[in-house]
Amino acid sequence: GNSVTQMEGPVTLSEEAFLTINCTYTATGYPSLFWYVQYPGEGLQLLLKATKADDKGSNKGFEATYRKETTSFHLEKGSVQVSDSAVYFCALSVMKTSYDKVIFGPGTSLSVIP
Amino acid sequence: GAGVSQSPSNKVTEKGKDVELRCDPISGHTALYWYRQSLGQGLEFLIYFQGNSAPDKSGLPSDRFSAERTGGSVSTLTIQRTQQEDSAVYLCASSLALAGSVSYEQYFGPGTRLTVT
Repeated sequence: GNSVTQMEGPVTLSEEAFLTINCTYTATGYPSLFWYVQYPGEGLQLLLKATKADDKGSNKGFEATYRKETTSFHLEKGSVQVSDSAVYFCALSVMKTSYDKVIFGPGTSLSVIP
Repeated sequence: GAGVSQSPSNKVTEKGKDVELRCDPISGHTALYWYRQSLGQGLEFLIYFQGNSAPDKSGLPSDRFSAERTGGSVSTLTIQRTQQEDSAVYLCASSLALAGSVSYEQYFGPGTRLTVT
């Protein structure tokens, strides 16, 4: 079946540190891949996405590249800020009949300290 | 414009009681989704609506769970005879309908935190 695995947290970094959150997936066919972010007390929001192999999604300084050969979609940011503290969810979308069924990973909590 | 709203934001109920959770999607979004987020778990798909019909109910965990959507807008998720394992955050999302091979971003509400004592 389709599934998403991501590194367990919590992850604690100092401000301006480099961030990597690993994500790997298993899917039939060619899924679209996403990173969603959930800030404290807020709903999930789409951070970035990639719809085909070698695509790079980017937003707010975050990047992730769709690697079909390694079935990965690792999230990176060169210099994190305190405001990046949140829970990050890797997800994939597989067209199921007439809609996209989104499958989420368990989430990785990130805390950035000044 | 307003985003997806959910009510109540928090609900504490006794085991065995029924609860209703409400979702107001973004105006014009015909697709609506319910998810459950348990502590330490990812998001679990529950049900999807396209308009007022639910072509996929495969994620509902038991027959105690049901959902409806009226007027292609507001949706209600009902849990009957609640159990402690139902405690979770219930999230609603909406999106525009699919157009051919194009899929649209899902917009999430803030969730309802349900605690069954």
